[in-house]
Amino acid sequence: GNSVTQMEGPVTLSEEAFLTINCTYTATGYPSLFWYVQYPGEGLQLLLKATKADDKGSNKGFEATYRKETTSFHLEKGSVQVSDSAVYFCALSDIKLIWGLGTSLAVNP
Amino acid sequence: DAGVIQSPRHEVTEMGQEVTLRCKPISGHDYLFWYRQTMMRGLELLIYFNNNVPIDDSGMPEDRFSAKMPNASFSTLKIQPSEPRDSAVYFCASSHRVDYGYTFGSGTRLTVV
Repeated sequence: GNSVTQMEGPVTLSEEAFLTINCTYTATGYPSLFWYVQYPGEGLQLLLKATKADDKGSNKGFEATYRKETTSFHLEKGSVQVSDSAVYFCALSDIKLIWGLGTSLAVNP
Repeated sequence: DAGVIQSPRHEVTEMGQEVTLRCKPISGHDYLFWYRQTMMRGLELLIYFNNNVPIDDSGMPEDRFSAKMPNASFSTLKIQPSEPRDSAVYFCASSHRVDYGYTFGSGTRLTVV
């Protein structure tokens, strides 16, 4: 069946560092891919999405490109801020969303 | 658009009591999902509805849990009787189409003592 694998955390970075959180997937067909973010004490929020191969989703300085050849959807940001500290979830659409386990990011000033 | 609205935000109850969590999805969304999140198990899908009909309840942990969606604008998740191991944050989410993604509510933090 379809599945999502994302890198384990926690990830700890200094402010202004470059961020990559890896996400790979297994899927039949052509699912949409998503990154969600969960700030402490809050619900999950859609961060960005891509609906077909080679699409790039972007929001708040974060980017991810739907790579069919490598079945990947890695999340990147060029310069993280303390306010980016959160848990990040990768997901793909099937009959319902299939979720990764989440990656905790802590950004230190 | 007020988003997905859940109530209450926090609930503390004694073991054995009935607990009812409520959710109002975004108007026009055909899908409604109930999730549970804990440190140990992460994010778990409990049940989801399409057009008010339960489609998959395989994630409901046991018979103590039940969910209803009497109309397109309201759903409940009930636990009876509650147990300490039910302590978690319960999220409701709704969607117009799954490939558009979900919109989550702010969650209900349940503590059973």
